[in-house]
Amino acid sequence: QVQLVQSGAEVKNPGASVKISCKASGYTFSNYYMHWVRQAPGQGLEWLGIINPSGDKRSYAQNLQGRVTVTRDTSTSTLYMELSSLTSEDTAVYYCAREIATGSGSYAYWGQGTLVTVSS
Amino acid sequence: ETVMTQSPATLSVSPGERATLSCRASQSVGSNLAWYQQKPGQAPRLLIYGASTRATGIPDRFSGSGSGTEFTLTISSLQSEDFALYYCQQYKNWYTFGQGTNLEIK
Repeated sequence: QVQLVQSGAEVKNPGASVKISCKASGYTFSNYYMHWVRQAPGQGLEWLGIINPSGDKRSYAQNLQGRVTVTRDTSTSTLYMELSSLTSEDTAVYYCAREIATGSGSYAYWGQGTLVTVSS
Repeated sequence: ETVMTQSPATLSVSPGERATLSCRASQSVGSNLAWYQQKPGQAPRLLIYGASTRATGIPDRFSGSGSGTEFTLTISSLQSEDFALYYCQQYKNWYTFGQGTNLEIK
């Protein structure tokens, strides 16, 4: 069965960077677009970025341009998201998500979420 | 950016009754619309994609309709496990979510 298993919770100081991983199993990792979505405490869902199956094309939410980087390692079926220059506004649960079908845009599979807390 | 607006913010319905949730897009998204259910402490769960197609394993009491800018999620007979947060998402013009509807027990 498809599984997305994310790395554990992180606590970071303002100005630092965080890198979260998402290990995929149960399907051919290199066949699907992957996304990152976050959810601030008590808030809604915010799309952060997408990476294509081969890993050579990425797009990001405009408000995070320059701070977010999404990568993938096909050899280990792992997706990564790095966010730099953290502020308290980046405190959120971060989710990786896989599309239901390549290019479909809706997410049938989600990681369990990684809580990132930014605090001094 | 395509803004998604959900209404109402909170919907109070009794078990066994029908719930109707609305989602409006600021510009046409065609049928590129999904609905998700989220319970506390859990990741969202895909219910509907393509505006009206149920995802695998979703009971047929959940149905989606609409196209363009107006969409509806209907839950025909509410079960206890259906009380949760619901989000719509468009994936025509990049990806944006509505702010959510909290479906609570009346």
